[in-house]
Amino acid sequence: AQSVTQPDIHITVSEGASLELRCNYSYGATPYLFWYVQSPGQGLQLLLKYFSGDTLVQGIKGFEAEFKRSQSSFNLRKPSVHWSDAAEYFCAVEYSSASKIIFGSGTRLSIRP
Amino acid sequence: GAVVSQHPSRVICKSGTSVKIECRSLDFQATTMFWYRQFPKQSLMLMATSNEGSKATYEQGVEKDKFLINHASLTLSTLTVTSAHPEDSSFYICSATPSGGTGETQYFGPGTRLLVL
Repeated sequence: AQSVTQPDIHITVSEGASLELRCNYSYGATPYLFWYVQSPGQGLQLLLKYFSGDTLVQGIKGFEAEFKRSQSSFNLRKPSVHWSDAAEYFCAVEYSSASKIIFGSGTRLSIRP
Repeated sequence: GAVVSQHPSRVICKSGTSVKIECRSLDFQATTMFWYRQFPKQSLMLMATSNEGSKATYEQGVEKDKFLINHASLTLSTLTVTSAHPEDSSFYICSATPSGGTGETQYFGPGTRLLVL
């Protein structure tokens, strides 16, 4: 079955520290991969996406993600977090063009002053 | 950039009444729109896929007679929660894929928070 796993429910990092949020997917082929951020009570904002090509993808707000086919992973990274990065982060996959998106369970990021 | 709006942003209704939520693509046409539901502190779950001019495709476990979807034009899809009950209280989010594009990117609306008393 198609699925997306975000193993970390809640992560707390200090402001200025580096961040890595994990995401794994299950599927035979390479899907389209996304990371979204959601602030409390708000909609989703697309951080970055991977369709093909370079496996290291740069996004907005200083985020990047690396697609590793061998590990079926698409981890999100940021070298130095800011207090404003505190939010819920969702990894998502789309298995074909214009098809439904499947979301992971989300990782809540808290920032320690 | 592509913008998707939802109206209303927040609605409170009495149990047993029906509520209509609109999803509009403001600067592009969307043959396909998607409706998601998000319960507090949970992820988004796809409810249905809305295709312009045809019947919506519902995910398993979603009652099509309770959640009526109409996609009458290329820029508007509506979700009507019929005979709403408190357990229908949730955050409803739509997304849209531009027609004629490569289709990989869905643009999300800001969501509608429904509270059923």
